[in-house]
Amino acid sequence: GESVGLHLPTLSVQEGDNSIINCAYSNSASDYFIWYKQESGKGPQFIIDIRSNMDKRQGQRVTVLLNKTVKHLSLQIAATQPGDSAVYFCAEGNSGGYQKVTFGTGTKLQVIP
Amino acid sequence: DTEVTQTPKHLVMGMTNKKSLKCEQHMGHRAMYWYKQKAKKPPELMFVYSYEKLSINESVPSRFSPECPNSSLLNLHLHALQPEDSALYLCASSHNNSPLHFGNGTRLTVT
Repeated sequence: GESVGLHLPTLSVQEGDNSIINCAYSNSASDYFIWYKQESGKGPQFIIDIRSNMDKRQGQRVTVLLNKTVKHLSLQIAATQPGDSAVYFCAEGNSGGYQKVTFGTGTKLQVIP
Repeated sequence: DTEVTQTPKHLVMGMTNKKSLKCEQHMGHRAMYWYKQKAKKPPELMFVYSYEKLSINESVPSRFSPECPNSSLLNLHLHALQPEDSALYLCASSHNNSPLHFGNGTRLTVT
């Protein structure tokens, strides 16, 4: 079946460095992509999203890049902080009233103080 | 704290028990979701309600029975579960073209 996947299961970065988390998706019909952060014992927390009519979107310290040609999504975190340590999931869905959102496998980000 | 509230936070039940998970949101969202998440795995969609009507059932076994009494509440009724059903059950809600907002889940253990 179609799915969303990640290249790296674990990423360790030094505090203050930039982090890049990558994701590959295969459902070409998806037009909405989301990054979630999940800390231990909590539910997924929305970070940033992007629609298929854009290729870049910036938030506070985070940037999402979308490359529809190769079906690739990335999350960039600037000046990574210890509080950024968590599991990050990319997810794909569809614009509309309700969404069938499918999650990728997740990347654990470890920030080294 | 999240704007989607799930109760209880933890639940231990036997295979012959009947229990219910509850979810509540007051953001005016008209779509509500149940996801199941096993350890170290991504959340998997179970059910979607839109305007209090079941819109998606991802071939979930009948021992899981969802209910949406009104636009703010979502329940998941559990009966005759198996140990492999032990997981974190997440509720989420969304408005048109907005990202899903998740609760912190109910950690379910089936003994």
